[in-house]
Amino acid sequence: DSGVTQTPKHLITATGQRVTLRCSPRSGDLSVYWYQQSLDQGLQFLIQYYNGEERAKGNILERFSAQQFPDLHSELNLSSLELGDSALYFCASSVPTGTSGPGANVLTFGAGSRLTVL
Amino acid sequence: EDQVTQSPEALRLQEGESSSLNCSYTVSGLRGLFWYRQDPGKGPEFLFTLYSAGEEKEKERLKATLTKKESFLHITAPKPEDSATYLCAVKGATGGFKTIFGAGTRLFVKA
Repeated sequence: DSGVTQTPKHLITATGQRVTLRCSPRSGDLSVYWYQQSLDQGLQFLIQYYNGEERAKGNILERFSAQQFPDLHSELNLSSLELGDSALYFCASSVPTGTSGPGANVLTFGAGSRLTVL
Repeated sequence: EDQVTQSPEALRLQEGESSSLNCSYTVSGLRGLFWYRQDPGKGPEFLFTLYSAGEEKEKERLKATLTKKESFLHITAPKPEDSATYLCAVKGATGGFKTIFGAGTRLFVKA
């Protein structure tokens, strides 16, 4: 158990629908990252939050949005789903910025949420 | 823009047959080069961080090395349980705070 919790583990839905994926970071970690992993692509960075604020954005579609709440858990909202959105969605967390030592900048990943759009 | 390219895409080895995986990177102001291991259907698991050219890290049968343009993951006398996808990633000083991953090398070790 990495300490990063993602729910749900599996989700099957239809095109045009909207889903919400949830992530709880490791205790003490302030950053949350979202990545998408499709069969034909590697890990694609979507977005990062640090202590409730958006820090970095990748190639995240306009149909996708995310937020980090005061208790530091994060949600990734995917709307108007298309077949191509089927993928594994990973959440990761990291120690606070400015932390030095072996754990600095290391991402700890959750087990992922597998989304299937039919 | 930060970029990571890994080769080969897939590597098949016999148990005990040592080899190396390559990671070529382009980054402005390297903040860290990372190696992760990913088993099917699971999240990536951290292996090593390298910060500067010439640095080396070892863990069991794995050894990671770093130059100014490449990193290598050497696998010595691999076992079937080393079969996994190995991911290389970089974090740079520009481009925000994102960590960019390569597509990975799928390693298969046959007994």
